[in-house]
This record gives sequence, structure tokens and C-alpha cells, in this order.
Amino acid sequence: DAGITQSPRHKVTETGTPVTLRCHQTENHRYMYWYRQDPGHGLRLIHYSYGVKDTDKGEVSDGYSVSRSKTEDFLLTLESATSSQTSVYFCAISESRLAGGSTDTQYFGPGTRLTVL
Amino acid sequence: SQKIEQNSEALNIQEGKTATLTCNYTNYSPAYLQWYRQDPGRGPVFLLLIRENEKEKRKERLKVTFDTTLKQSLFHITASQPADSATYLCATPAGYGQNFVFGPGTRLSVLP
Repeated sequence: DAGITQSPRHKVTETGTPVTLRCHQTENHRYMYWYRQDPGHGLRLIHYSYGVKDTDKGEVSDGYSVSRSKTEDFLLTLESATSSQTSVYFCAISESRLAGGSTDTQYFGPGTRLTVL
Repeated sequence: SQKIEQNSEALNIQEGKTATLTCNYTNYSPAYLQWYRQDPGRGPVFLLLIRENEKEKRKERLKVTFDTTLKQSLFHITASQPADSATYLCATPAGYGQNFVFGPGTRLSVLP
């Protein structure tokens, strides 16, 4: 999984509790992404980062926040988890974004399965 | 906004045959399109990229075509093997300055 780790790999939590997922990379890539994957919806972008402390919203950002204090770490926080946030969460990295070539290739982590009861 | 449709949710094929998967995009004509493979319980893995000015791209037993007139990409696996069984995703930039959009994937099963 190309030098990307995610923690935890599995988590069960209760509605209303805060949850933080961590993504760590050893590739020194500039761009980092958080996706969720649900049956019938495919991968949907939550937030992405284009540098330390530089982040932007994706397609499904409501209820999520992110932070990137170091190049290698990208955190996803659910401030108050809801059952609709039960999903598999993937972190991805890329050298470039929309540069038009192979450096846009995204490398994915192993995923975190989150269940909100 | 850009949407991607993949021809079927699941495709079963006999070992040794050619598997053909379809990816259709609805709006913006992308500069390129990517194909990824995803195994159960794992993240997607990049396979191939094809640019809009390339009609065909090959990598070993894989072949990808890109038809901007039909707004379609075809992904072929020749001489398919049970080890090719996985979900295959296509992805494109969603539009100028926009992020990637992924298709829902096609789950391919190659039967021995």
C-alpha cells in the first residue's frame, strides 16, 4: 500500500461521540485525500489537502473536519458521529492534482472500517 | 456535475476468455481517465491511465480504449485468470479545477 498507513483499521463507536482517523504517509507526497466508500456510491471525496495546513472540501464534507499539521499526517475528525457515517474510509496520496498525467495517480491506504451504532 | 457509470455491478466470465468492462462519463470530457483495481478489504490500486488523445493503451494482458465521441472507455483483460477477480474502478477529473470522480465499480469474477 505504497507507504500509507491508516489507524485504526476498525472502529465501533456510538452516535454522538467524536472520532478521529489518522492517515500517515512516508512518500512525501504533497496531496492527501480522505474518501468514504459505500455500496452503490463508490468512492466519494470528503476533504483533501494540498499542503501543511492547506485543506479544501470535497463532495461530502458535511459532518467532517480535517487537519494537516505535518506533511506526513492527515487527520479526519467526525465531531459527533452519526449512523450515516458508518462506512469504509480510505486515505489516498498523490504527487500532483489535475496536472494531467501519471503524477496525478492516487495511492490508497488499506482503509478504516467505521461502524457508528 | 460529472458522473461515471460502469456497465454492470458484476460480471462473470470463464477463465481464458476476454473480460470487457465499460466506463461511461456523462458530461465534461476529461483530459484522461484512470482504471484501478480493488480487492476485498483493500484500497484501490492504480492500473492504467489513458489520455484523451490516445485511442488505446496496453499493459501486459490489459488494454484500455478511450472514445471521446461515445464518452466511453473500455477495459479489456485478455486470457483472464481467477486471480483477475476483483472490482475495477474507473476515475476521471470531474471538471476544470475539480477533483476526481470515481465510478461505482464492476465486480469481475473469473470462473475456473
